[in-house]
Amino acid sequence: KQEVTQIPAALSVPEGENLVLNCSFTDSAIYNLQWFRQDPGKGLTSLLLIQSSQREQTSGRLNASLDKSSGRSTLYIAASQPGDSATYLCAVKGGGATNKLIFGTGTLLAVQP
Amino acid sequence: GAGVSQSPSNKVTEKGKDVELRCDPISGHTALYWYRQSLGQGLEFLIYFQGNSAPDKSGLPSDRFSAERTGGSVSTLTIQRTQQEDSAVYLCASSPRLVKDTQYFGPGTRLTVL
Repeated sequence: KQEVTQIPAALSVPEGENLVLNCSFTDSAIYNLQWFRQDPGKGLTSLLLIQSSQREQTSGRLNASLDKSSGRSTLYIAASQPGDSATYLCAVKGGGATNKLIFGTGTLLAVQP
Repeated sequence: GAGVSQSPSNKVTEKGKDVELRCDPISGHTALYWYRQSLGQGLEFLIYFQGNSAPDKSGLPSDRFSAERTGGSVSTLTIQRTQQEDSAVYLCASSPRLVKDTQYFGPGTRLTVL
């Protein structure tokens, strides 16, 4: 059974700092991995999608990496801003017949001005 | 264009009542997913629909939960005889192809069972 874990559960940093969020998964047979952000009382917004054959994806100040063999992904946020404050979730889409997303437990990020 | 919409945004009901939650996916998206986000359980998959194929119901927690998708578009999630542990945010998502594409999420319906 696929299990997805995120570390840390919560993180508070001063504005301008670079930071890394971690995601690990137990079954390396995945189709892709996504990073989402969730703002309080709102749905999820997709940030980056990495296919299983890819090693990383970049969008603006965000960079996500994937090491499928070790079951790890990182989300790097450069020059953090208060507007980055949110909960960040990683999710894997499994291989085989399943097409559902398995979500991690999330990291609550607070960027202090 | 319009995103995924869900209604109602909030629903308060009494234990034992039935509730219906609605999802309108992005036009043209063939796959539709329901997830539940509750305290202590995180975000968990419930059910997905893909075109005319039989839905994957493997995430439904009990037979009190059911969902249908009419005309390949709008979906309704029904919870019968609601229990307090059903209180959660129910999220709907859609995607244009089944595999390897981003799922676009709606804002969710917050269900509170008293």
